[in-house]
Amino acid sequence: SAVISQKPSRDICQRGTSLTIQCQVDSQVTMMFWYRQQPGQSLTLIATANQGSEATYESGFVIDKFPISRPNLTFSTLTVSNMSPEDSSIYLCSVGPPVLTEAFFGQGTRLTVV
Amino acid sequence: AQSVTQPDIHITVSEGASLELRCNYSYGATPYLFWYVQSPGQGLQLLLKYFSGDTLVQGIKGFEAEFKRSQSSFNLRKPSVHWSDAAEYFCAVIGGSARQLTFGSGTQLTVLP
Repeated sequence: SAVISQKPSRDICQRGTSLTIQCQVDSQVTMMFWYRQQPGQSLTLIATANQGSEATYESGFVIDKFPISRPNLTFSTLTVSNMSPEDSSIYLCSVGPPVLTEAFFGQGTRLTVV
Repeated sequence: AQSVTQPDIHITVSEGASLELRCNYSYGATPYLFWYVQSPGQGLQLLLKYFSGDTLVQGIKGFEAEFKRSQSSFNLRKPSVHWSDAAEYFCAVIGGSARQLTFGSGTQLTVLP
């Protein structure tokens, strides 16, 4: 299993600013995933973060808006840049297969942009 | 690419009644399938998973799911619903080059007293 600590748990930010979300895992994992859950919606994958390489972004997400760092096998950050109210969502960090047999999630960061 | 369909956006059942939440998937190979539950303000909790073997999978909180390859389905069931089961339920499949999860749109469950 894996325990994921994600912070901050929530934040209210001014438009035009940036927020960095941290994700710490209690074991070494190859891949970490960042998801977004917009209000009343399902989870959408933003990007896959591998240690030692550039993150791979899904269609509709770009590095300039959502830069990701993956400095080691237990830690990653997601930055939401130049925020607008449309970025108000829950952002979740996840780890999972192939290293683990299931996906584990952090508690999420509830972001409100005003 | 893999995809998951949850045809029911919202389901309402009475406490003590049986429950079935539908999930259909599209994936070229043998899928790894999951059901997660998300309570208001809470993170995602895994209810059960299917990788291989017995197609009827038992999970936590009295839930079970049956994998039917011929129907590309992985429906979640519970014989008697409790008020605390009110939540959002997500079906998910693993696939893709990075083995990431693809989620369905979710089913909101309301339980009437």
